[in-house]
Amino acid sequence: DIQMTQSPSSLSASVGDRVTITCRASQSISNYLNWYQQKPGKPPNLLIYAASSLQSGVPSRFSGSGSGTDFTLTIGSLQPEDFATYYCQQSYSTLMFTFGQGTKLEIK
Amino acid sequence: QLQLQESGPGLVKPSETLSLTCTVSGGSIVISSYYWGWIRQPPGKGLEWIGNIYYSGSTYYNPSLKTRVTISVDPSNNQFSLKLSSVTAADTAIYYCARRRSNGYDYAFDIWGPGTLVTVSS
Repeated sequence: DIQMTQSPSSLSASVGDRVTITCRASQSISNYLNWYQQKPGKPPNLLIYAASSLQSGVPSRFSGSGSGTDFTLTIGSLQPEDFATYYCQQSYSTLMFTFGQGTKLEIK
Repeated sequence: QLQLQESGPGLVKPSETLSLTCTVSGGSIVISSYYWGWIRQPPGKGLEWIGNIYYSGSTYYNPSLKTRVTISVDPSNNQFSLKLSSVTAADTAIYYCARRRSNGYDYAFDIWGPGTLVTVSS
């Protein structure tokens, strides 16, 4: 199985900060990497697909980069509604999709 | 606008079978380039993929659950279903159904149901 490891597990930041979350795959997954945002009591919401493509309707302050085993999600200028938990997910192995453990972004 | 909605019992006894249905509205389940999936999330924990199905009935399951999982599709009713047998307390979770794209590098889950909490308890 392909393991996905996110760092950090939690993060405190202020409105207006630039924030980066990283995700590392246990083997190369090319660009088959997606990012989701989840708020309490809600399902995950797709932010970035194929490592760097912005999902329709998602603000442009969200961006993704990386290829192979190392990926990043960057929020350009944190807004109050961005405080949530973020998950990466590999879709390279269609026989076994796996998610990272999540990164909880909290207000400092 | 496509919407997904999970339905089924919120309480299941240990050793019994969990059964959930996802109803798709606002669009057809019979469409190429999309799969339909189930993902679960134990309370306060992370996401676990359970499996996917294509409208033709082709399925892919999480190997760790494969012996207990069956996903089926009912195109006539625009629904797909999950059955998980021999449940234990470890299967207590919010269960989500979702649409998964299949296009080049894009295999993301782009539309999700609101989720339904299933508790395994006697």
